[in-house]
Amino acid sequence: DAGVTQSPTHLIKTRGQQVTLRCSPKSGHDTVSWYQQALGQGPQFIFQYYEEEERQRGNFPDRFSGHQFPNYSSELNVNALLLGDSALYLCASSLGGPEGKLFFGSGTQLSVL
Amino acid sequence: RKEVEQDPGPFNVPEGATVAFNCTYSNSASQSFFWYRQDCRKEPKLLMSVYSSGNEDGRFTAQLNRASQYISLLIRDSKLSDSATYLCVVSAFRRDTGRRALTFGSGTRLQVQP
Repeated sequence: DAGVTQSPTHLIKTRGQQVTLRCSPKSGHDTVSWYQQALGQGPQFIFQYYEEEERQRGNFPDRFSGHQFPNYSSELNVNALLLGDSALYLCASSLGGPEGKLFFGSGTQLSVL
Repeated sequence: RKEVEQDPGPFNVPEGATVAFNCTYSNSASQSFFWYRQDCRKEPKLLMSVYSSGNEDGRFTAQLNRASQYISLLIRDSKLSDSATYLCVVSAFRRDTGRRALTFGSGTRLQVQP
């Protein structure tokens, strides 16, 4: 039973570029949430997808967008990258909503130069 | 004020020690509470849920104090393998979305020394 998988594991971009991160949820899960984790901080909620729609959003600008596909996998897109976007991006899956029992992928480490 | 606050530590304790972490939350409408564990350069993993009556899982005990809006995690007989960052997580209903949202604390780092 595959857990949550994310790709790529590491990525280096320059300011102003755009990036797409991918996530496949744990088998049987239908909800995907994305988090940004800066060094020494806890994960910060970006948004959540359920039934291919964005259901909730944290305090992130519109440069951060996403998508969920019929097979429940998801993408996170970030446009016009800033140095401050450098962080670990974590995808978490759950069944039926954020009751706290999230299963996280190992993340994508994004470095913006 | 942050929605969920934790002492960042680090807590440096010898093997076999008992250590306790506290976490305070600001939203009185918070409904569910959890502790996650995150090893260095790894993803967070659910350690345990926190129930109003308090709950225990082996060497780990979690307690909730709704009146004072804090939760705690007690680790007895610390092992070297307990070294990690412990994240406090709070779930609260959001009126704007009609759904619950999770908020993570910044974590408390524990280092168990031999």
